[in-house]
Amino acid sequence: DAGVIQSPRHEVTEMGQEVTLRCKPISGHDYLFWYRQTMMRGLELLIYFNNNVPIDDSGMPEDRFSAKMPNASFSTLKIQPSEPRDSAVYFCASRTSFGETQYFGPGTRLLVL
Amino acid sequence: AQSVTQLGSHVSVSEGALVLLRCNYSSSVPPYLFWYVQYPNQGLQLLLKYTTGATLVKGINGFEAEFKKSETSFHLTKPSAHMSDAAEYFCAVSVNNAGGTSYGKLTFGQGTILTVHP
Repeated sequence: DAGVIQSPRHEVTEMGQEVTLRCKPISGHDYLFWYRQTMMRGLELLIYFNNNVPIDDSGMPEDRFSAKMPNASFSTLKIQPSEPRDSAVYFCASRTSFGETQYFGPGTRLLVL
Repeated sequence: AQSVTQLGSHVSVSEGALVLLRCNYSSSVPPYLFWYVQYPNQGLQLLLKYTTGATLVKGINGFEAEFKKSETSFHLTKPSAHMSDAAEYFCAVSVNNAGGTSYGKLTFGQGTILTVHP
């Protein structure tokens, strides 16, 4: 099993640019989670999907953030326009319906200049 | 709503010494509890979890944790620290729905950085 795959692993962009982060969950997992990790706020759940449907997006910081899951094997988190305060590590995680354990990807380290 | 408090953002131990990382949770219903470890520049890896049954759970790398409902605690221990244990450790809680299937939302503590010195 390849595990959760995220791309890119590192992203450096300038303020105002659009950023798209990608995630491929573990095959057969029907829950997908997006988290953000910063020194100040720790690990925060941004949004999660069940069977490709967004269930809870209450953690999405503002309208500049959007997430989609067009199919069971792919999800994106988009920031438009990006701001320096969006700099963080973004993790994707997935799990099965009846398993308690979330499996995390390696993360995308985003730096917005 | 559930919450997690990890006491001590930094813990330093000598190699071979006992490791004790503290976690207290708040939940109105029986929780599932987790410890994850994060090595530098990596994602989170599950160490161990408590769902139901035996309150003392054993995980990878010699770690274990005990669920104490009366104290709302889930402290992580390891009898003898190794240099390779140096990492950041996160306690997390999720809550079951009425049917017993986890909601799936994890709430994390702020993390504890473990340093192991020779």
